[in-house]
Amino acid sequence: DAGVIQSPRHEVTEMGQEVTLRCKPISGHDYLFWYRQTMMRGLELLIYFNNNVPIDDSGMPEDRFSAKMPNASFSTLKIQPSEPRDSAVYFCASRLGGNGNTIYFGEGSWLTVV
Amino acid sequence: KNEVEQSPQNLTAQEGEFITINCSYSVGISALHWLQQHPGGGIVSLFMLSSGKKKHGRLIATINIQEKHSSLHITASHPRDSAVYICAVRSGNQFYFGTGTSLTVIP
Repeated sequence: DAGVIQSPRHEVTEMGQEVTLRCKPISGHDYLFWYRQTMMRGLELLIYFNNNVPIDDSGMPEDRFSAKMPNASFSTLKIQPSEPRDSAVYFCASRLGGNGNTIYFGEGSWLTVV
Repeated sequence: KNEVEQSPQNLTAQEGEFITINCSYSVGISALHWLQQHPGGGIVSLFMLSSGKKKHGRLIATINIQEKHSSLHITASHPRDSAVYICAVRSGNQFYFGTGTSLTVIP
């Protein structure tokens, strides 16, 4: 299996622009997670989905952030408009439901907003 | 106060040493994860625990639910173990993360 695939790997954008991060979970996994990692706050869970349905989005920082999962094999995290403080690494992860199942992380999308 | 506290924050060890990283949490949990983040940024899940002990190669993770404490042990440490180790807990629909322990193993 190819693992969790994220794109883009790196993005530099100007503040005010829309940013879309993409994730393809491992086939068959029914949980998908979006995380953000910064030096200041470490790793934070933004939102997670179960069977394409958002379960908890309390970690989404503000209305500029939105996430969708239109089908079992694709999810997006969108920031509109972007701000310099959104600069971070955004990780997507997936796992199979049930106790004891490992969570698999993508390689991350490194976002810089200038 | 953070829901998850890790110690130490930074750790330097000589190759071959036995290493322990500690994690304490203050919420009721359904599972605890140990994650490893490599210097390049990639994150790997090492263990998911809800009770007892798990072992994988030179890594051992234990959890004491009553004391709300978990430890990650590395036996015969090696420079390739150098990474940041993050403890994370799931409490209901919430996930809480420790700030990580940065481990450097010197040859």
